[in-house]
Amino acid sequence: GIQVEQSPPDLILQEGANSTLRCNFSDSVNNLQWFHQNPWGQLINLFYIPSGTKQNGRLSATTVATERYSLLYISSSQTTDSGVYFCAGTLGANNLFFGTGTRLTVIP
Amino acid sequence: GAGVSQTPSNKVTEKGKYVELRCDPISGHTALYWYRQSLGQGPEFLIYFQGTGAADDSGLPNDRFFAVRPEGSVSTLKIQRTERGDSAVYLCASSLNRGAAYGYTFGSGTRLTVV
Repeated sequence: GIQVEQSPPDLILQEGANSTLRCNFSDSVNNLQWFHQNPWGQLINLFYIPSGTKQNGRLSATTVATERYSLLYISSSQTTDSGVYFCAGTLGANNLFFGTGTRLTVIP
Repeated sequence: GAGVSQTPSNKVTEKGKYVELRCDPISGHTALYWYRQSLGQGPEFLIYFQGTGAADDSGLPNDRFFAVRPEGSVSTLKIQRTERGDSAVYLCASSLNRGAAYGYTFGSGTRLTVV
C-alpha cells in the first residue's frame, strides 16, 4: 500500500484561530479525500479533492497531485471542529488508505 | 435507511469466542466496505463488496476473518477464535457505485473488545 503522513499529529487551537493541516503521500494516489471523525467516532467526508482547490464554508482544501500532498485549511475555528482529521487516497479505484490523523482540540 | 447502520455498537467477548458484526448500508448502495480502526490509528481496509460478491478481500488479516453479503444489502463480518489483538472499532461504509470517487458514507462502528 501507500504511506500517508499527516502533520501535525496533535493541534490545540483557541476558538477563532486558523490552522493548516498537511497530508503527504508516498506515491501518486487517486481519489484523495479528507474526513473528520468527531469525538463519538463518526467519520464524515469533508472533501473529495483529487486536485485543485475546493471551499466549503470555513473549510477549504488544496491538493497538489504532482507533489503528492494535500492541505486542509480551517478558518475561524469553533469547538465543534474538534476531533480527528484524516486524509485518505486510493491506488486503484476503491480501497482508501488512511493517514494516522491530526487530532484537533479547539478550546473556548 | 437514511444512513449506514452498524450493530451492535459495542461488543465485549472472551478470547476464543466467535463474533458477528452487522452492517446495514444505505438503500441502493451497491458497494460496501469494512474497515478496522485501532486506537490512535486511521481506519485500515479489510474487504470490499460489489453487490453480493467480495470483489477484494486482500485486507483481511487472516483466515479467522470472513464476511458475507448474501443478498447484496446487509453484510456480516465474522471473526472466529477471537484474540485480544482483534480489539478495535470495526467500521462499515457504503457507496452508490464502485469507486471511491462516488463518496463513502460510514457507519458509527462497532467497538469490539476481546478480554
